[in-house]
Amino acid sequence: KAGVTQTPRYLIKTRGQQVTLSCSPISGHRSVSWYQQTPGQGLQFLFEYFSETQRNKGNFPGRFSGRQFSNSRSEMNVSTLELGDSALYLCASSLAGGDFETQYFGPGTRLLVL
Amino acid sequence: AQSVAQPEDQVNVAEGNPLTVKCTYSVSGNPYLFWYVQYPNRGLQFLLKYITGDNLVKGSYGFEAEFNKSQTSFHLKKPSALVSDSALYFCAVRAPGGATNKLIFGTGTLLAVQP
Repeated sequence: KAGVTQTPRYLIKTRGQQVTLSCSPISGHRSVSWYQQTPGQGLQFLFEYFSETQRNKGNFPGRFSGRQFSNSRSEMNVSTLELGDSALYLCASSLAGGDFETQYFGPGTRLLVL
Repeated sequence: AQSVAQPEDQVNVAEGNPLTVKCTYSVSGNPYLFWYVQYPNRGLQFLLKYITGDNLVKGSYGFEAEFNKSQTSFHLKKPSALVSDSALYFCAVRAPGGATNKLIFGTGTLLAVQP
């Protein structure tokens, strides 16, 4: 079974621009979560989607948004980019987001904001 | 509030020696605990998890972890370290119940295995 895929793998943007990142979960997985990883803040939860609905959101400004499509693929969008948005963005999928399910992570998208 | 602590930023061990990477947690109720490993420029790879049952959990690549409820710890162990085990290790917790799949991660421990 193919793993979680994320595109693009690398991005360079300038301040004020917006960016869209894509995540394709493992086949059959319906829950997709997004995390931001930075050297200073570590791994932080952004949001989770299940059946096209946002189920939970982390403590990030409204510039960070996401959505999920009927095929469970998910996108996240960051508008009005700031230097501090430079990070590795990781997507994870699980079957249905149940309590004891394992989340499987993709390779990440590394975003650099100049 | 849920939290995870990894008290050591880095652990150094010689190849062939046993290794331990420490993790303590704070959560209401019974926790679900996970260990992930991250190699340079890669995502997180799942190693093992504790849900319930036996306190000693066996995972991938010869790793195991011991759940200790009284000490609220979930230390990762391996009997004999390999140079290829050198990577960044994350402990994570998820509180049971609730409509969320959110994981709370520790700050990570860099494991360096010397040949």
